[in-house]
Amino acid sequence: DAGVIQSPRHEVTEMGQEVTLRCKPISGHDYLFWYRQTMMRGLELLIYFNNNVPIDDSGMPEDRFSAKMPNASFSTLKIQPSEPRDSAVYFCASSLAGDPAEKLFFGSGTQLSVL
Amino acid sequence: SQQGEEDPQALSIQEGENATMNCSYKTSINNLQWYRQNSGRGLVHLILIRSNEREKHSGRLRVTLDTSKKSSSLLITASRAADTASYFCATGTDYGQNFVFGPGTRLSVLP
Repeated sequence: DAGVIQSPRHEVTEMGQEVTLRCKPISGHDYLFWYRQTMMRGLELLIYFNNNVPIDDSGMPEDRFSAKMPNASFSTLKIQPSEPRDSAVYFCASSLAGDPAEKLFFGSGTQLSVL
Repeated sequence: SQQGEEDPQALSIQEGENATMNCSYKTSINNLQWYRQNSGRGLVHLILIRSNEREKHSGRLRVTLDTSKKSSSLLITASRAADTASYFCATGTDYGQNFVFGPGTRLSVLP
């Protein structure tokens, strides 16, 4: 398996533009997570899905952020409009439900720079 | 608020020495996991310890868990330059899959 695949690896955009980040989880995994990593705040959980259904989106910073998972093999995180403070590395991770909760497999991340 | 807090924030040692990192957390957990992150890469799972376990080993890694003190430690024995990375603990509860990560410990292993 190729692991969790994220695209793009780097994104540079101007303030006010729409940004879409993409993620393909590991085939067969039940859970998909979006994390954001910054020096100031560390790793923050934004939202996670179970079987394509959003379970907890309490970490989504504001209405400018939205995430979808239209099917088991694809998810997007959209920021509209983007702001400089959104600059961060965004990670997607997936896991297989188990007892206890199984380990997370992370993608390589998308480095987002909003100018 | 963050559940896990790693200590120290940064650690620099010589190759061959042991490295110990600590993680403290605030509420009851179901399990605690340790991850490694190399610069510019995603996190990689290292080891998981359940709340009813006290110690676990995996190769050169040894993890302990003290639920009474709400703390865990990660020991890397005979460190190598390739162990240079940031190490994070993540706590899981019975209430879902929302793992919470600490700020991490930056480990530098000097050749």
